[in-house]
Amino acid sequence: QSVLTQPPSASGTPGQRVTISCSGSSSNLGRNYVYWYQQVPGTVPKFLIYRNNQRPSGVPDRFSGSKSGTSASLAISGLRSEDEADYYCAAWDDSLSGWVFGGGTKLTVL
Amino acid sequence: EVQLVESGGVVVQPGGSLRLSCAASGFTFDDYAMHWVRQAPGKGLEWVSLISRDGSSTHYADSVKGRFTISRDNSKNSLYLQMNSLRAEDTALYYCVKDISDRSGYYDGFDYWGQGTLVTVSS
Repeated sequence: QSVLTQPPSASGTPGQRVTISCSGSSSNLGRNYVYWYQQVPGTVPKFLIYRNNQRPSGVPDRFSGSKSGTSASLAISGLRSEDEADYYCAAWDDSLSGWVFGGGTKLTVL
Repeated sequence: EVQLVESGGVVVQPGGSLRLSCAASGFTFDDYAMHWVRQAPGKGLEWVSLISRDGSSTHYADSVKGRFTISRDNSKNSLYLQMNSLRAEDTALYYCVKDISDRSGYYDGFDYWGQGTLVTVSS
């Protein structure tokens, strides 16, 4: 059972916009930033979004993040086949004094 | 170019010990906190531990507290994870990960990841 809750799966067709949710509590998302990572199966996780909505250089603006209260979401617009991957949210948890991840969402591009 | 290269992963018996190493290059190592993150086969990501820039502060996941010890040698640009009392549930790919922020005492998530080293705990 992960501290941050994500739907196990999501799907969309090419060109579509999809969102992936991440739900937490006051000790993590309620007080701290959310971060998002993309992991294509068999590869190393890739840094996607930091501090709720900031994109590192090289990440397309099709990817966007937001946070409100104890919930966050990752949006992917103009869906492409190469977006098919597992997506993880993460945050610092003040009560645990450590980082916590969501269980991951497997995105399928139909 | 930032490079993180882990080593030390092997097959070990339950109750055994192991030390993982991570060689860092391409950035000023002692400017950044560092982390270990693991991923069990077919499972999600789990943060394991972090160490501050100068090694004075460490944090651990509850699942490893009291059994694992993180350390670093800034003169060698190296990060370590001493793993004791290993259990089957510690079987995972262990990633060495760099923190985003170079601010002292501030942790800002993970940017660069190594390729990982596989630890298998089995009799």
